[in-house]
Amino acid sequence: IAGITQAPTSQILAAGRRMTLRCTQDMRHNAMYWYRQDLGLGLRLIHYSNTAGTTGKGEVPDGYSVSRANTDDFPLTLASAVPSQTSVYFCASSAGGTDTGELFFGEGSRLTVL
Amino acid sequence: GQNIDQPTEMTATEGAIVQINCTYQTSGFNGLFWYQQHAGEAPTFLSYNVLDGLEEKGRFSSFLSRSKGYSYLLLKELQMKDSASYLCAGMDSNYQLIWGAGTKLIIKP
Repeated sequence: IAGITQAPTSQILAAGRRMTLRCTQDMRHNAMYWYRQDLGLGLRLIHYSNTAGTTGKGEVPDGYSVSRANTDDFPLTLASAVPSQTSVYFCASSAGGTDTGELFFGEGSRLTVL
Repeated sequence: GQNIDQPTEMTATEGAIVQINCTYQTSGFNGLFWYQQHAGEAPTFLSYNVLDGLEEKGRFSSFLSRSKGYSYLLLKELQMKDSASYLCAGMDSNYQLIWGAGTKLIIKP
């Protein structure tokens, strides 16, 4: 049972480079989310998707973009990485729409931007 | 504004009981969640409260008082494996989760 798979697990990236974090779920969940987690702060929502074909902005969307071409995949792209985007990124999904609270998380992608 | 407050760190002894408090301010309210996160791992769901009172699940219980904007997570018969961060999250009227920074629980033998 895979659940949610994120890749890469860890990445060091030069500032200005483009980077895509991949997220795939096999639970057929409608809603998917991208969060970043920084020391001393709560999880912050970057972007979300209620269902395939739709996306929305979260609390901290600047510098990030997402797409939801199908139910299973929800990639997060940093068009031109900056050091402040150094963080641990978690992809998550939930069965219902965004009004279902129980989230299932991937194992995270640790990104360092130099 | 919206805010979730919880202690940064707590220490407890193996076999004992610990209560982790959380106060919340959200625009509207659609429930209060607790997640557990071991170091270097993903958060995992523990509990959900939307009505006042205590919900018990084995060694873990969660309490909610909507009038006070207050919740706690109670862990009984502490085990070393309970050493983790515990994240409190409130769901607002738009069904968005507002997360606290987490409480790091250290269990000592």
